[in-house]
Amino acid sequence: DIQMTQSPSSLSASVGDRVTITCRASQGINKHLAWFQQKPGKAPKPLIYAASTLQSGVPSRFSGSGSGTDFTLTISSLQPEDFATYYCQQRKDYPLTFGGGTKVEIK
Amino acid sequence: EVQLVESGGGLVQPGGSLRLSCAASGFISSDHYMDWVRQAPGKGLDWVGRIRNKRNSSTTEYAASVKGRFTISRDDSENSLFLQMNSLKTEDTAVYYCVRVGADYYLDHWGQGTLVTVFS
Repeated sequence: DIQMTQSPSSLSASVGDRVTITCRASQGINKHLAWFQQKPGKAPKPLIYAASTLQSGVPSRFSGSGSGTDFTLTISSLQPEDFATYYCQQRKDYPLTFGGGTKVEIK
Repeated sequence: EVQLVESGGGLVQPGGSLRLSCAASGFISSDHYMDWVRQAPGKGLDWVGRIRNKRNSSTTEYAASVKGRFTISRDDSENSLFLQMNSLKTEDTAVYYCVRVGADYYLDHWGQGTLVTVFS
């Protein structure tokens, strides 16, 4: 199975901060990576697919980059509604696997 | 608008069975692969399995942890997806999400989830 490792597992940031979350795959996955945002008690919301393509309706302050084994999700200017947990997910091979999540909290 | 509505969750004892349903609307469900993803309380996301569309023979894939115990099926005439769960274990306790697989095989729409609790 392809293991997905996210770092950090949590972070504290202020509104307006630039935030970067890292996701590393245990083997190369080309650009077959997605990012999701999840708020407490809610279903995950797709943000990015194919490593860098924004889902429809996602604000442009979100961006993704990377290929192979190393990927990043960046929020250029953190907004109050962005405090949530973020997950990466690979779709290169079965079983599909998710990272452990990064919780973004208010400083 | 794409909508996925799960039902069928509840309390069950270890070794028991439960059947989850997912009602799809707002899109041609027969065209799409569909997945189940679960999330144990306070934990991360865990992929359960996939069913391909009829054009791809409705074949299935499963996570190792559920293979042989869980079965995914679909009824395209009813725009419905199912998850039959047998031999349930306490570690199967989770919210189960029905998820549409969109373009390029990414998960693009999620239901609100249904809670399954396996208690001893």
